[in-house]
Amino acid sequence: AQSVTQLDSHVSVSEGTPVLLRCNYSSSYSPSLFWYVQHPNKGLQLLLKYTSAATLVKGINGFEAEFKKSETSFHLTKPSAHMSDAAEYFCVVSKSSGDKLTFGTGTRLAVRP
Amino acid sequence: GAGVSQSPSNKVTEKGKDVELRCDPISGHTALYWYRQRLGQGLEFLIYFQGNSAPDKSGLPSDRFSAERTGESVSTLTIQRTQQEDSAVYLCASSRQGDTEAFFGQGTRLTVV
Repeated sequence: AQSVTQLDSHVSVSEGTPVLLRCNYSSSYSPSLFWYVQHPNKGLQLLLKYTSAATLVKGINGFEAEFKKSETSFHLTKPSAHMSDAAEYFCVVSKSSGDKLTFGTGTRLAVRP
Repeated sequence: GAGVSQSPSNKVTEKGKDVELRCDPISGHTALYWYRQRLGQGLEFLIYFQGNSAPDKSGLPSDRFSAERTGESVSTLTIQRTQQEDSAVYLCASSRQGDTEAFFGQGTRLTVV
């Protein structure tokens, strides 16, 4: 069985300041981990994915995430928030061999001017 | 088409009626997923098809829900005797065999009145 826990349901940052969205996972297998973003009234878009290659993964729009096996974490970061980053972010886990995707409950990111 | 296509985009139905939701995956994608997203909540796994293997139906909430897939193409999610709690956005996604990256459609917004 696998699951993810997103530790914050809401995060608010000022434009230009760093973003940290936290995610912890639980998996019986070597997992694949993803971050998806959902903008209002838009579909889900893949930000980045980890599939047992480099532990620091770079994604689109300046986001990156680091896989830390010892901490079972896969936190999403961005050095400087932009207004357009305001959205819902989902941490997702799957078996590395391919299986259903298990979503976290989401973190809503607000960016203040 | 280039992406996952879902129809209809919006559906309003009366309580007790049956509804069918359609998903056209990306051509060549062997895996297909259905998820449900209630207002303000995360994604709830419903069912997963992978090639010719038996589908993973572990997420279907009741026997009123069923899904079929014809080969590696179109899938239909059927909800019988709809209830108000079935109101949600139903999302479909597809992925290539051996690749856990899933591409999502825009969803069908179902409203049961």
